Amino acid sequence: EVQLVESGGGLVKPGGTLRLSCAASGFIFTNAWMSWVRQAPGKGLEWVGRIKSKTDGGTIDYAAPVKGRFTISRIDSKSTVYLQMNSLKTEDTAVYYCNTAGIVWGQGTLVTVSS
Amino acid sequence: DIQMTQSPSSLSASVGDRVTITCQASQDISNYLNWYQQKPGKAPKLLIYDASNLHTGVPSRFSGSGSGTDFNLTISSLQPEDIATYYCQQYDALPPLTFGGGTKVEI
Repeated sequence: EVQLVESGGGLVKPGGTLRLSCAASGFIFTNAWMSWVRQAPGKGLEWVGRIKSKTDGGTIDYAAPVKGRFTISRIDSKSTVYLQMNSLKTEDTAVYYCNTAGIVWGQGTLVTVSS
Repeated sequence: DIQMTQSPSSLSASVGDRVTITCQASQDISNYLNWYQQKPGKAPKLLIYDASNLHTGVPSRFSGSGSGTDFNLTISSLQPEDIATYYCQQYDALPPLTFGGGTKVEI
């Protein structure tokens, strides 16, 4: 079964850090371009960033609100993509989804940034 | 950045109605447009890719059209299970890959 499973969400104070994981199964992860998308409570979808496959250069792109604070990485041997979030702000509170090509999505993990 | 403007932001229709949602891009994006359906508490699901291609398993009552800057998502005969929020998304130029603001469909 093709599947993405996120983990690592939780409650963190402003200025804190959190690392999200997204574990893939059921498809060839090595070839996949992986994206993170977030959704603040009651709001629409917001693209966070994307990492290409290593064979396609491994380029990483970020949305302006998270550039310089968030880092996307991948370990192909573990079929996992990560989202390292530093200097978190209250406006980063959202459900974070990983997806590949917009076709396969994880269930989402909630990140709450609050004092 | 390319801005995606969806309209209406919400609509109410009856079972069996034909429903059309529009999405306008701030610049030419050719046909690099996806449509998603999202139900409360769930991840988005891909409905249409490349503006007009139906994703595997999506009912044929869904269709997409348009190119350039103007796009439509049409539900030919609204069903109760179609109650959801629908989003367009451009992937012509990134970063960023931008979504429309969403259209909430109610019965």
